[in-house]
Amino acid sequence: DQQVKQNSPSLSVQEGRISILNCDYTNSMFDYFLWYKKYPAEGPTFLISISSIKDKNEDGRFTVFLNKSAKHLSLHIVPSQPGDSAVYFCAATYNFNKFYFGSGTKLNVKP
Amino acid sequence: NAGVTQTPKFRILKIGQSMTLQCAQDMNHNYMYWYRQDPGMGLKLIYYSVGAGITDKGEVPNGYNVSRSTTEDFPLRLELAAPSQTSVYFCASSPGQTVQETQYFGPGTRLLVL
Repeated sequence: DQQVKQNSPSLSVQEGRISILNCDYTNSMFDYFLWYKKYPAEGPTFLISISSIKDKNEDGRFTVFLNKSAKHLSLHIVPSQPGDSAVYFCAATYNFNKFYFGSGTKLNVKP
Repeated sequence: NAGVTQTPKFRILKIGQSMTLQCAQDMNHNYMYWYRQDPGMGLKLIYYSVGAGITDKGEVPNGYNVSRSTTEDFPLRLELAAPSQTSVYFCASSPGQTVQETQYFGPGTRLLVL
């Protein structure tokens, strides 16, 4: 039973344009959400997070939006750069003991 | 700081063999985690630990065991390897349990069970 879903396995974007990665969740108890970035043959690295008391969090080129009523979050990358090409995972937790990950979206930013 | 280290990087096991995946962190983190990632899937939590001597099951604990005798080390034991355990295993650590803290991952161990 997948509690966190990323329905787009891949996304291709032109350099300089916006990348939008989406994530849906089913467990209404989740109160903290994270995005991780993963390069091949490496472990995931933390990118940005958002608490359920907020609907937006920005960090440089990265912005995460949370829509609690729709149980949906999205990651916006503006402008996209070729170095952003990686697999992006969203994750959710409600007690910081257990984290639930989506299946990932592979972003390809074309020069 | 080396961060989170995992050994080995890659291993082939025969069905029924056992092995221990090693994980160590030098950041004095209390929390440690083991995940597995199957092809095309997200990471699934196998076991986690909130401190030395304390471990608990995650989503997919069957077929695995863990121990946490020190803050630094969190080994994952496979007793009777099965083809379904073919996966990439990631260890992670975290300072604690607040909104400011997140997980730091190791590079992974690729395991193939034949």
